[in-house]
Amino acid sequence: EDQVTQSPEALRLQEGESSSLNCSYTVSGLRGLFWYRQDPGKGPEFLFTLYSAGEEKEKERLKATLTKKESFLHITAPKPEDSATYLCAVLWYSSASKIIFGSGTRLSIRP
Amino acid sequence: DAGVIQSPRHEVTEMGQEVTLRCKPISGHDYLFWYRQTMMRGLELLIYFNNNVPIDDSGMPEDRFSAKMPNASFSTLKIQPSEPRDSAVYFCASSRRESTEAFFGQGTRLTVV
Repeated sequence: EDQVTQSPEALRLQEGESSSLNCSYTVSGLRGLFWYRQDPGKGPEFLFTLYSAGEEKEKERLKATLTKKESFLHITAPKPEDSATYLCAVLWYSSASKIIFGSGTRLSIRP
Repeated sequence: DAGVIQSPRHEVTEMGQEVTLRCKPISGHDYLFWYRQTMMRGLELLIYFNNNVPIDDSGMPEDRFSAKMPNASFSTLKIQPSEPRDSAVYFCASSRRESTEAFFGQGTRLTVV
């Protein structure tokens, strides 16, 4: 069964302290990998799409990278407003258009 | 574009009652997804449509759940009869074409008492 695993479950950082979130997936024909941000009481907000190993995308303090078995969301010098749950989602060739989500990483940035 | 629009934002109903959740996808998007989010199980895909046709409903938990998409701009998710374990946030999302990112609505928080 295709699976998506995110780690850590929760992460608390000091403002300005850089770190990375991990998303690992079953290696069985990746078609696309997506990163979302979700704030409390809101729907997931799209951040990045990655399609092939070696690909990187950046937006402000966030950079997403992809290897053959995992993706990282790097956050550089985070600010309190970056606090949110970050979700990874995967689409496999074997699953038609079913986008499957990981359980997320709750990120908290202290001022 | 206003994005994906869901209604109502909140719904409180009594066990046994019928509940209907509504969704208007982004214009021009061919795919529509219904997800359910709970603390225990995270975001689960219930069903998705392509060009108004249901493609995969394997995530629908029971026959009490049904979904329709009568046209490209409207979809409903119905629960009949509702049960307390159906309490969750239900999201609708749409995407332009296959293998592209999905955009989510604000969700409907359903509470069944």
